Amino acid sequence: QKEVEQDPGPLSVPEGAIVSLNCTYSNSAFQYFMWYRQYSRKGPELLMYTYSSGNKEDGRFTAQVDKSSKYISLFIRDSQPSDSATYLCAMSEGGGSNYKLTFGKGTLLTVNP
Amino acid sequence: DTGVSQDPRHKITKRGQNVTFRCDPISEHNRLYWYRQTLGQGPEFLTYFQNEAQLEKSRLLSDRFSAERPKGSFSTLEIQRTEQGDSAMYLCASSAQGAPLHFGNGTRLTVT
Repeated sequence: QKEVEQDPGPLSVPEGAIVSLNCTYSNSAFQYFMWYRQYSRKGPELLMYTYSSGNKEDGRFTAQVDKSSKYISLFIRDSQPSDSATYLCAMSEGGGSNYKLTFGKGTLLTVNP
Repeated sequence: DTGVSQDPRHKITKRGQNVTFRCDPISEHNRLYWYRQTLGQGPEFLTYFQNEAQLEKSRLLSDRFSAERPKGSFSTLEIQRTEQGDSAMYLCASSAQGAPLHFGNGTRLTVT
């Protein structure tokens, strides 16, 4: 079992839909949770950064972390064609190892106009 | 803030040749990282610098790989005697202490 599991999709939705992206993990030491967006042939771009359990909202994006279930989610409201990309979840143990990110495989999202 | 800059964007080389990639981090960031991403996978950690000191190397970083950050600013990643399995996107990231990582657009290596 990989440390971080993420459904690779692909996921195709109409413009304006609410998108839900998820990851599960097995390492209970993970404390920092991130979502990155990666466009084709580009590097990952940080979208959300959260510590421990709870919700964080930034514009159309909401990140949720449930450490008891080892489950994290990213919700995108009012999705736009420009949101079409691969979404990567990432997590780290924190402390002296907060730089060593463990990524999921990424979910490929297409938002159709 | 021009972001993390990597050069070249794409490198095609023949098996057995040596290649070197360069990374210029965000100027105020003292931490620099190298990751590798293969097709359909998330990035994997390779190595980490704090200022000019290389503090950790992954077991993925074989003896053919070497990274330097001589003055605590830019970094280079060299691969000697390249193999086809080295074909991947090599990503550089930087951060301030305790802050999240910001990635560059990577160097795509193709070994023929």
